[in-house]
This record gives sequence, C-alpha cells and structure tokens, in this order.
Amino acid sequence: QGQIVQSGAEVKKPGASVKVSCKASGYRFSNYAMHWVRQAPGQRPEWMGWITAGGDNTKISQKFQGRVTFSRDISASTVHMELRSLRSEDTAVYFCARETPGAFDMWGQGTMVTVSS
Amino acid sequence: DIQLTQSPSSLSASVGDRVTITCRASQDISNSLAWYQQEPGKAPKLLLYAASNLESGVPRRFSGSGSGADYSLTISSLQPEDFTTYFCQQYFTTPYTFGPGTPVDIK
Repeated sequence: QGQIVQSGAEVKKPGASVKVSCKASGYRFSNYAMHWVRQAPGQRPEWMGWITAGGDNTKISQKFQGRVTFSRDISASTVHMELRSLRSEDTAVYFCARETPGAFDMWGQGTMVTVSS
Repeated sequence: DIQLTQSPSSLSASVGDRVTITCRASQDISNSLAWYQQEPGKAPKLLLYAASNLESGVPRRFSGSGSGADYSLTISSLQPEDFTTYFCQQYFTTPYTFGPGTPVDIK
C-alpha cells in the first residue's frame, strides 16, 4: 500500500526560503512521478509542479517558475520542494502526491508553512 | 489555463439521499478528470479518475460520468462519513487545476 510522510510545520519570515520533504515507503518509489500541490486556508488546491520518476526532469507551473526547485533522492525515497523569496501569500499547507497517472492516488499528510514577519 | 467550476457551490442533504455534483471545464478535457474528497485538516482522497473509474477501496456508492467539458460525481446514498468537501481536478494539460470545491453538509 505504502505511505508518504512529510516534514514538519515551518514558520518563515518574508524573503526567506523553505524546504519541504516527503519520504515514501511501502512501494517502488522509482516508478512514480511526484507532484506538489498547495492549499491556502479555505481555498482550492493549487498545483505547483512535478518531478519525474527518475528525478531527471521537472515541470513547474509558470506561477512559481524562478522561485521553486524540486529534487529527488531515489536512494532515500525522498522528494524535496524548496520555495524561495517567501511572501505572506505563500502561507498554505503544502502537499506532495504520487501520480497514478494524471490523478494523485497517494498524498502526504501536508506541511503547514506560515510566512509572517 | 483550464478553469473548472463546480455546482452547486454548497449542498445540504440527508443520510440516504442521492446527490450529484457537476464540474465544468473551460474546454474539452477528454475525460482527464479526477474527483477527490477532502475532510478538514486532511489531504484530499482520490475517489475517481478518468472521469468514471473508481479508485481501489472506494465504496461503489460513488460514481462518475461525463465527457467533453462536463462531468459529474454522484453519491447514490449518502452516508454519515460522506458529509465533507469534494473537488474535481483536470489533468488534461498543465497547469493541472482544481475546482473550487463543493461542501456537502447535513440538512
């Protein structure tokens, strides 16, 4: 079945960077692309982008280009998302999710990122 | 970007009711549509993919249909655990987008 466990909540100041991690277990990690989705309080989920199964390619939503980096450590079954130049509007819960394909069949529990001075 | 709208914007119903939520895309998305259920404070849970395919482990009271730009999610007989929020999501093209959500509450 498997599961994905994310890193803990973060509080950052405007202009700082944050790195969120997801560790997968219980399935063949290298077979699946991973996506990043965020959800601001009371809002719909927002797709940020994805990283291929092999970690050799990424696709980032134009909204986040230049500010976000995805990476993947296959040996550790972990993916990372770094978001830079944080602003208050980036306050949200950040999720990683496994693609199956197109839809997302397994999600991490979410990581709350709060941006506040 | 492909825009998704959902109707109704909210829904009040009773246990045992049959309810339908619709999702309309701003263009043909060729059945590249998923439905999720999300409880407060939790990650979304996949219910259906490719418009009408039931995800493993999801009760058969959930079903999906549609084509082109118009899709629907039907719950044949609402159970107490179904009173939460439902989102549609298109994966026809990036950026993948989600609908605004339809909260279902108890009448």
